[in-house]
Order: sequence, then structure tokens, then C-alpha cells
Amino acid sequence: EAQVTQNPRYLITVTGKKLTVTCSQNMNHEYMSWYRQDPGLGLRQIYYSMNVEVTDKGDVPEGYKVSRKEKRNFPLILESPSPNQTSLYFCASSLGGGVGETQYFGPGTRLLVL
Amino acid sequence: KQEVTQIPAALSVPEGENLVLNCSFTDSAIYNLQWFRQDPGKGLTSLLLIQSSQREQTSGRLNASLDKSSGRSTLYIAASQPGDSATYLCAVTLRGGGSTLGRLYFGRGTQLTVWP
Repeated sequence: EAQVTQNPRYLITVTGKKLTVTCSQNMNHEYMSWYRQDPGLGLRQIYYSMNVEVTDKGDVPEGYKVSRKEKRNFPLILESPSPNQTSLYFCASSLGGGVGETQYFGPGTRLLVL
Repeated sequence: KQEVTQIPAALSVPEGENLVLNCSFTDSAIYNLQWFRQDPGKGLTSLLLIQSSQREQTSGRLNASLDKSSGRSTLYIAASQPGDSATYLCAVTLRGGGSTLGRLYFGRGTQLTVWP
């Protein structure tokens, strides 16, 4: 089944403790992206990747890191999480260059930073 | 910076009604516009994608139109059903190279409730 998977789905952590949220897609998509969704602010793009080893900042990249060493994986790294990073996170992917293609979303990761 | 606005923020209608959701964007230099559906606690599901050169797209009871020059899109849902209850979001991809390529901008969504 074609899908985007994220792990973990739920995470509670404390300020400053490094964490990684994994994202994997099995559709051989070139484009992958991370978003956060907050009440009243909607979905905002954090980082995106047009292909392996190519990443770019979105609207809200501060406090996050990403890497794209393999086509199928695009992990989101929070080196020193803070409470304002408490949010619902989505990973997405699309075919080809990403622009002009239907986006497929993962189920989301709900993060609480205490 | 691209701003995407969706009106109304919430809508409650009886089953069977035809309804229109609105999306507007400030920068008309877009590559495409997408409509998504989000169920509570779930990810987003793509409903329709309209390229900038297209005027509309249809899928079943859904029809999305795009007027790029005025910065507007509408999602028309015919004969609404309780199963249509969800949040509907629109997103635009900016045209252009450099730092804007690959950037998506979302509206805050319209929360739709269809009651029996």
C-alpha cells in the first residue's frame, strides 16, 4: 500500500532533550516536506526537500533540522525542543519535482514539550 | 509573502444542500492550487489539484474552480452528506525559482458539519 509513515505518532518530552521524528514514503517520491499545525495558525511549512541531499527552509525552520540521505526518508530533528514546539507535525511527499503534484500526507505526530 | 484566506471558518448545513467553500490568495503567481480534506485527528487527503493554466477540476460531487487573476478558488460540494463533515483546506504552490520553488501555503480551513 502506497503511504507515508511517521513515527512516533505521539510523543511527550522535556525541554532540551533531543528528539527525532521519522518520516518514510514507499512511493519513490522525490519531494518531501514537513509541516506543523497549530490552532489558529493553520499548517505552516518547516522544511522541504526536492531530492536527495537537497533541502530548503520553509516558513518556520527555526529550531528544526532535517536531512535527506535517502530518497524514502526525511527525518525531522529537534536538537533542543522548547514548549513552543508543542504541535501536530505532518510529513508529506509528492512525485517528481514536488511542484504541481498531489501531496500525500502522513498521519501526523502529536508532540508535547514540557 | 503569500497569504491564503478561507471563508467561512465554519459551516453547518443540513444533509442534501449544495455548498460553496471559498479560498483567496494574495499572490497570483501560483503554480497550482490544491484542496484537501482533514478528518479529526487524521492527516490530510488531497481532493483536487488545479494547475494554474486550468479553470476547474471535478471529482464526483466535488468541483473546484480557479480564477488566478482575481486570486480566488471555490470548492463546490453537491448534495452534501454527513460523511462530508471535515475540515477543508486549500493550499497554493508559488511559481518561481530560487527560494520560492517547492513552498506551499495553506489557508486555515473551513470546518464543515453536515447534519442528517
